[in-house]
Amino acid sequence: DGGITQSPKYLFRKEGQNVTLSCEQNLNHDAMYWYRQDPGQGLRLIYYSQIVNDFQKGDIAEGYSVSREKKESFPLTVTSAQKNPTAFYLCASSIESSGSQETQYFGPGTRLLVL
Amino acid sequence: AQKITQTQPGMFVQEKEAVTLDCTYDTSDQSYGLFWYKQPSSGEMIFLIYQGSYDEQNATEGRYSLNFQKARKSANLVISASQLGDSAMYFCAMREPWYGQNFVFGPGTRLSVLP
Repeated sequence: DGGITQSPKYLFRKEGQNVTLSCEQNLNHDAMYWYRQDPGQGLRLIYYSQIVNDFQKGDIAEGYSVSREKKESFPLTVTSAQKNPTAFYLCASSIESSGSQETQYFGPGTRLLVL
Repeated sequence: AQKITQTQPGMFVQEKEAVTLDCTYDTSDQSYGLFWYKQPSSGEMIFLIYQGSYDEQNATEGRYSLNFQKARKSANLVISASQLGDSAMYFCAMREPWYGQNFVFGPGTRLSVLP
């Protein structure tokens, strides 16, 4: 079945530690996205990538880093510079097109908690 | 300025009744797409319905329909015959081609279906 997988489902971070959230898709989508969601809030864009080896900062990129070495994979690293990382992280992908009609498909999310 | 506004933080509806979730948007672009997503307590975002800015007919998908009023810049979601499983957060989103193909999400509306 085609879809997006995220791992782990829950992740615990210690003070000063970097952690990496995995996102893999087998939908053959060019574009991939990372969002952060705080309790009771909407989604805020962290980073996005429209093509392999290229990515752009979103609205809240500080304290995060990404890579896009393969079309299928878009891992997100939460660095020690991110002082308030506790949140729900959603990865998404979509077809890259010149129009605006293509929806995003989301993974199941990773819940990050700080110890 | 908010690009997507959802003025109802929470809504209640009786089972089997219809409910309308409001969404207004702000754009100067002529070409854009509007989307509604459902987020149950599990956290995964589920795509419900899409409306293109040039579509003359309101979109429908099963029990979901979109009341699109372009001049008023509103795209309200109508859920007919509500079911207990419809209880969730609902997000309105917009995609503009010039904005790097990115999606902008509203703050969401929490819908509770009462038995």
